[in-house]
Amino acid sequence: DGGITQSPKYLFRKEGQNVTLSCEQNLNHDAMYWYRQDPGQGLRLIYYSQIVNDFQKGDIAEGYSVSREKKESFPLTVTSAQKNPTAFYLCASSMAGGSEQYFGPGTRLTVT
Amino acid sequence: KNEVEQSPQNLTAQEGEFITINCSYSVGISALHWLQQHPGGGIVSLFMLSSGKKKHGRLIATINIQEKHSSLHITASHPRDSAVYICAVSSQRDTDKLIFGTGTRLQVFP
Repeated sequence: DGGITQSPKYLFRKEGQNVTLSCEQNLNHDAMYWYRQDPGQGLRLIYYSQIVNDFQKGDIAEGYSVSREKKESFPLTVTSAQKNPTAFYLCASSMAGGSEQYFGPGTRLTVT
Repeated sequence: KNEVEQSPQNLTAQEGEFITINCSYSVGISALHWLQQHPGGGIVSLFMLSSGKKKHGRLIATINIQEKHSSLHITASHPRDSAVYICAVSSQRDTDKLIFGTGTRLQVFP
């Protein structure tokens, strides 16, 4: 079955700790994306990558970092510099160039 | 003002009713997407369209490029249609990035 997976589903961390969220896809998609969702707001783009070893900042990249060493994987690190990290994080992938995006099930991060 | 606006924000319906959700946008687009988010949080792409009309089962999406407006219709609504419906656009300036509306929360009661 082709798809996109995120782990874990729920994640709890103490303030000041870095945490890495996993995103894997086996759809052979070139492009991958990380979004953040907060109550009452639309999804906001954190980072995206159109090709291996390359990525671009989205609208709210501060306090986050990513890597794209393999086509299948696009992990997101939420650093201690992110002021309000508690949110629902969604990963997506697509064939390049504005085509339909496929979303993972999301990771709900709570930082206390 | 948001570049993508949806209405209504919340919608309740009785099973069997015809439902319409509206989306207006203010940027030039290459495509418009309708997405469905269930209470668990996962998002599914329903439609991607750049002109005209698409139909899938009881769902119909239309777009009017001149008026910068799209509608999502659900015929014969069912409680399992209860979800948040999200409109998003791929802008002409950067087709890889989606601009999202804030969503319409639909509840269908039996």
